[in-house]
Amino acid sequence: EPEVTQTPSHQVTQMGQEVILRCVPISNHLYFYWYRQILGQKVEFLVSFYNNEISEKSEIFDDQFSVERPDGSNFTLKIRSTKLEDSAMYFCASSGQANTIYFGEGSWLTVV
Amino acid sequence: GDSVTQMEGPVTLSEEAFLTINCTYTATGYPSLFWYVQYPGEGLQLLLKATKADDKGSNKGFEATYRKETTSFHLEKGSVQVSDSAVYFCALTAGGTSYGKLTFGQGTILTVHP
Repeated sequence: EPEVTQTPSHQVTQMGQEVILRCVPISNHLYFYWYRQILGQKVEFLVSFYNNEISEKSEIFDDQFSVERPDGSNFTLKIRSTKLEDSAMYFCASSGQANTIYFGEGSWLTVV
Repeated sequence: GDSVTQMEGPVTLSEEAFLTINCTYTATGYPSLFWYVQYPGEGLQLLLKATKADDKGSNKGFEATYRKETTSFHLEKGSVQVSDSAVYFCALTAGGTSYGKLTFGQGTILTVHP
């Protein structure tokens, strides 16, 4: 069964450092997303991406965040200058036309 | 804005017990409704979905019916197993310009004992 894959599974970074989280969405999907889950809290929407541009973003997705689809397969989330409160599990997801969203296993980011 | 409310957890059951996890929602228009499951140490997996009123989603013995009149999408299973222990999330997507933007409930931790 096709799946969304994410790397790394776990990353520890120092406050102020840049982080790039990588994702390979399901190959025939056209819509891509990032969500995050701070430990013990709800899963929160960050951003959606379609046709090489952001289609919607949440209040969380400020200027410190950016997304990119550098080639035909990868979808990345960059955090420019990490803060302690960015520590969370980050989920990449993708969907086709059927309005069903498939998630990766997540990248756990720890900012120290 | 859109919101999803799940019953407070955690829920602890014995194997073969009946499970209900309540979920109610607030949304404009006609949302699609989902249940996702997160097993320990893993990501979110789609469990089932329903896209219009009175639809019943089902998978792995779990069922949920889209009730527009009560704005609910309760998850049920007739006989739980230890392997069902996980966190269950109810979610909706409103579609339209918010296509693909899922709004999640807070999650319900289910523990099943042998």
